[in-house]
Amino acid sequence: AQKITQTQPGMFVQEKEAVTLDCTYDTSDPSYGLFWYKQPSSGEMIFLIYQGSYDQQNATEGRYSLNFQKARKSANLVISASQLGDSAMYFCAMREGQGGRRALTFGSGTRLQVQP
Amino acid sequence: GAGVSQSPSNKVTEKGKDVELRCDPISGHTALYWYRQSLGQGLEFLIYFQGNSAPDKSGLPSDRFSAERTGGSVSTLTIQRTQQEDSAVYLCASSQAGGDNEQFFGPGTRLTVL
Repeated sequence: AQKITQTQPGMFVQEKEAVTLDCTYDTSDPSYGLFWYKQPSSGEMIFLIYQGSYDQQNATEGRYSLNFQKARKSANLVISASQLGDSAMYFCAMREGQGGRRALTFGSGTRLQVQP
Repeated sequence: GAGVSQSPSNKVTEKGKDVELRCDPISGHTALYWYRQSLGQGLEFLIYFQGNSAPDKSGLPSDRFSAERTGGSVSTLTIQRTQQEDSAVYLCASSQAGGDNEQFFGPGTRLTVL
């Protein structure tokens, strides 16, 4: 089974509108972390937001918020007031467990295009 | 301060040749990761170093791939007898030890095997 599933290969949004990028995850570990990264066409991976499995509140970072629904195992990224510079690939990722390997497992990504 | 750096930024090689990719993590970061990103795909974990512990090599796709980290800092990923399917962007990331620290990524090395 896929650990991280991003079901939207591509999304379009009008400038200044909000958009939600979907992410569902699969783990049996009670301790995990969820990350969202942005990858512009230049290729660098830019960290956006983090949510821990024990965090009581949804994470927010500026225009980014994470809609964390633990029972549904979903961690959707919400971008408010979209800007042209938000056009990029967006990856959801998960880190499982407290110790041992701390590498991230990535989803296949969603390409977001912001239209003027 | 300086971020994660990788060299070379681009590498074109012939099938069967060996290549070395270098990663300089952020100073003070004890955790270092190598990932591979094939065209249009997400990132695939390759190997993870944490301090002086034995590396986690569980993501290496074959024994042609190896990596080392000298002095707890710079890391080299070596691919022997390269194949065309090795063509990808190889990304290195580093993070502080412990906790749920974000991983900072380098710009990547684009490897093309002809």
